[in-house]
Amino acid sequence: SQTIHQWPATLVQPVGSPLSLECTVEGTSNPNLYWYRQAAGRGLQLLFYSVGIGQISSEVPQNLSASRPQDRQFILSSKKLLLSDSGFYLCAWSPGSAGVFFGSGTQLSVL
Amino acid sequence: GDSVTQMEGPVTLSEEAFLTINCTYTATGYPSLFWYVQYPGEGLQLLLKATKADDKGSNKGFEATYRKETTSFHLEKGSVQVSDSAVYFCALFTGNTGKLIFGQGTTLQVKP
Repeated sequence: SQTIHQWPATLVQPVGSPLSLECTVEGTSNPNLYWYRQAAGRGLQLLFYSVGIGQISSEVPQNLSASRPQDRQFILSSKKLLLSDSGFYLCAWSPGSAGVFFGSGTQLSVL
Repeated sequence: GDSVTQMEGPVTLSEEAFLTINCTYTATGYPSLFWYVQYPGEGLQLLLKATKADDKGSNKGFEATYRKETTSFHLEKGSVQVSDSAVYFCALFTGNTGKLIFGQGTTLQVKP
């Protein structure tokens, strides 16, 4: 069966520090991969999605970037965090029309 | 572009009441439609799905029917429980873009 791993679960970082959140998927090949952000009390914003290695689509201009160095690995990064980057970050994967399946999320607090 | 619109919340119901959460969508082509649920402090779980017109998705007493003519996918449950209190997200997936687009979410509060 397929599983998705996302870490860390919580992270507290100072303003201006770098960020790296990692997500890996097991039990499948060539999945679509996604990064979403959920601000407190608000909906889900699609940040990046990838349909293959090295193929990254950005949905909104922002302080973040994403990379897919391997088929089942998706990394969300920032060189310098802003206060507005705080939120709940969710990695997800999809085999197609069967649905999109989410990791457990990372709660990022930028202070 | 593709979009999903949900009814605004919060929706507050008494236990055993009937639930409807409205969802309408705009999409080119033929998207798949989903409902996700997020319990407090947790990630998102897929609740149910429908991949083509007139399909009915169902799970845990919840149902939703893919209505192409009204571009809707309303979520219903005949008798809600306190444990159903959560945020519910309607979403569409378009295979040609590979994107999953979410509605803004509807908070459901069920009181005993």
